[in-house]
Amino acid sequence: EDKVVQSPLSLVVHEGDTVTLNCSYEVTNFRSLLWYKQEKKAPTFLFMLTSSGIEKKSGRLSSILDKKELSSILNITATQTGDSAIYLCAVKKSGAYKYIFGTGTRLKVLA
Amino acid sequence: EAGVAQSPRYKIIEKRQSVAFWCNPISGHATLYWYQQILGQGPKLLIQFQNNGVVDDSQLPKDRFSAERLKGVDSTLKIQPAKLEDSAVYLCASSLQGEVDEQYFGPGTRLTVT
Repeated sequence: EDKVVQSPLSLVVHEGDTVTLNCSYEVTNFRSLLWYKQEKKAPTFLFMLTSSGIEKKSGRLSSILDKKELSSILNITATQTGDSAIYLCAVKKSGAYKYIFGTGTRLKVLA
Repeated sequence: EAGVAQSPRYKIIEKRQSVAFWCNPISGHATLYWYQQILGQGPKLLIQFQNNGVVDDSQLPKDRFSAERLKGVDSTLKIQPAKLEDSAVYLCASSLQGEVDEQYFGPGTRLTVT
């Protein structure tokens, strides 16, 4: 059975800290891995990672896929209170364009 | 570009009642997804359409849930009769087509079953 597992489930840090969120997967027909940020409403897209192993960066956020370890990390440096959200990891399968989501990591950044 | 539209945004019903949700995807997006997100969990795929055909409905509780996408554009998801455990946010998402496209989510419908 396909599975996407995120850790930790929740995390509380102070502004300025750096955090690393983890996502591991056991999925057949892997195509890509996506990270989303979910605040009070719908998930918003952050990154898409493929087996090329290229790191993606956007401001203070960065992410990379380790194809050998079947995992990905999302790094957030110099965290701000606006980073408080649930971060979702999803794996996209080939063929039917199906996405399988993890349970998410709830991040709270304290001022 | 307009995003994915959903309505209603909130709905409260009693158990055993029926409810319907509506989704209008981004124009030109061939693939449409309905997800159920229970509090504290990630989104779970209920049904996936490619144009007006069903690609995957393996996790749709077909005894009470139904969905359709007539004309390959907007879609409705219905629950009849609702149970307490159906309380969740129902998210609709769409993607253009092809394996390189990410999906875009609508604002969701928060359903509370009492």
